[in-house]
Amino acid sequence: SQTIHQWPATLVQPVGSPLSLECTVEGTSNPNLYWYRQAAGRGLQLLFYSVGIGQISSEVPQNLSASRPQDRQFILSSKKLLLSDSGFYLCALLQGARGYTFGSGTRLTVV
Amino acid sequence: KQEVTQIPAALSVPEGENLVLNCSFTDSAIYNLQWFRQDPGKGLTSLLLIQSSQREQTSGRLNASLDKSSGRSTLYIAASQPGDSATYLCAVTTGDSSYKLIFGSGTRLLVRP
Repeated sequence: SQTIHQWPATLVQPVGSPLSLECTVEGTSNPNLYWYRQAAGRGLQLLFYSVGIGQISSEVPQNLSASRPQDRQFILSSKKLLLSDSGFYLCALLQGARGYTFGSGTRLTVV
Repeated sequence: KQEVTQIPAALSVPEGENLVLNCSFTDSAIYNLQWFRQDPGKGLTSLLLIQSSQREQTSGRLNASLDKSSGRSTLYIAASQPGDSATYLCAVTTGDSSYKLIFGSGTRLLVRP
């Protein structure tokens, strides 16, 4: 079966510090992978998606970037965090006709 | 651009009541529609998935319907329980090659004992 792992679960970072959130999947190859963010009291916003190694599509221009160095690894990064980057970050895997599965998320607080 | 709307935004019902959550979307060219549950501070749990060619799906006390031509879906919860209290999210997968999932803003459900 396909599983998705995200870490860390929570993160508190100062403004201006770098960020790296990692998402890895098991049990599948060449999956479509997605990064979503949920700001406090708001809906889920698609940030990036990737249909293959090295292929990244950005949905919202902002202070973040994404990379896919390996088939089953998707990384969300920032060089300098802003207060507005705080939120709940979720990685998702598209399982074809079975729909989406989400990781357990990373709650990021920028202070 | 696909937009997903959910009504009501919040709902409070007594235990045992049957209830309906509504979802509408603007572009009928979808791949599928998925209902999720989110507990406070937690990730998303998939409840039901309806393919674009299907009309409904059932799982236990949950039943979801899809009317693609009118851009509507409903989630029916029978005999609600306090444990059903959560935010329910409707999301559609776009019909293009990106298969992006577009979410509604959710319905926050409280089932009172």
